[in-house]
Amino acid sequence: NAGVTQTPKFRVLKTGQSMTLLCAQDMNHEYMYWYRQDPGMGLRLIHYSVGEGTTAKGEVPDGYNVSRLKKQNFLLGLESAAPSQTSVYFCASSYWRGRGSNTGELFFGEGSRLTVL
Amino acid sequence: SQKIEQNSEALNIQEGKTATLTCNYTNYSPAYLQWYRQDPGRGPVFLLLIRENEKEKRKERLKVTFDTTLKQSLFHITASQPADSATYLCALYNTGGFKTIFGAGTRLFVKA
Repeated sequence: NAGVTQTPKFRVLKTGQSMTLLCAQDMNHEYMYWYRQDPGMGLRLIHYSVGEGTTAKGEVPDGYNVSRLKKQNFLLGLESAAPSQTSVYFCASSYWRGRGSNTGELFFGEGSRLTVL
Repeated sequence: SQKIEQNSEALNIQEGKTATLTCNYTNYSPAYLQWYRQDPGRGPVFLLLIRENEKEKRKERLKVTFDTTLKQSLFHITASQPADSATYLCALYNTGGFKTIFGAGTRLFVKA
């Protein structure tokens, strides 16, 4: 049982390049999230998904796209990377407890450190 | 806008003492308040949560209080150990929004 797995763990890009971060979870969770973490700013939500085939914008969605074609996978794409997207990206998942019973407890991956030059 | 404030200054305490971390929030009515631990280079790990109608929650050496009038939570680690050194994140969740929002965290150092 690996939990939440992110690949790659490290990546260096040049401005304008594109890339995709992959998140996979083996806990059969309904909800999946992508956050970015920057010094002094905490975790900020980029996009999230409440189920297979669904996605929604979070707090800082500009410059990113996501897809949830399979329940266990959540992909984060950068179409044209910018230095402002240098950050540590965390994927997280949570499970559906039932209507009105969710507690928002998140299970995180180990992070993907992205540097855009 | 919604805001969560945690003490940005690191907290340094001696082993065996109680560490107390503060979380304040504005413009939000959470159903649940959560605390996570994050070690350097690792992802956050969930520790415990408290519901809006609970005043206090305990788990082993951890204790959390939640005051919805003051919009504040206190997180206590009793009999602290050097292994407790980490960054602790406060987070809020509202069942209607599907989203968990986070504070920036407080770094705790426990000296032997």
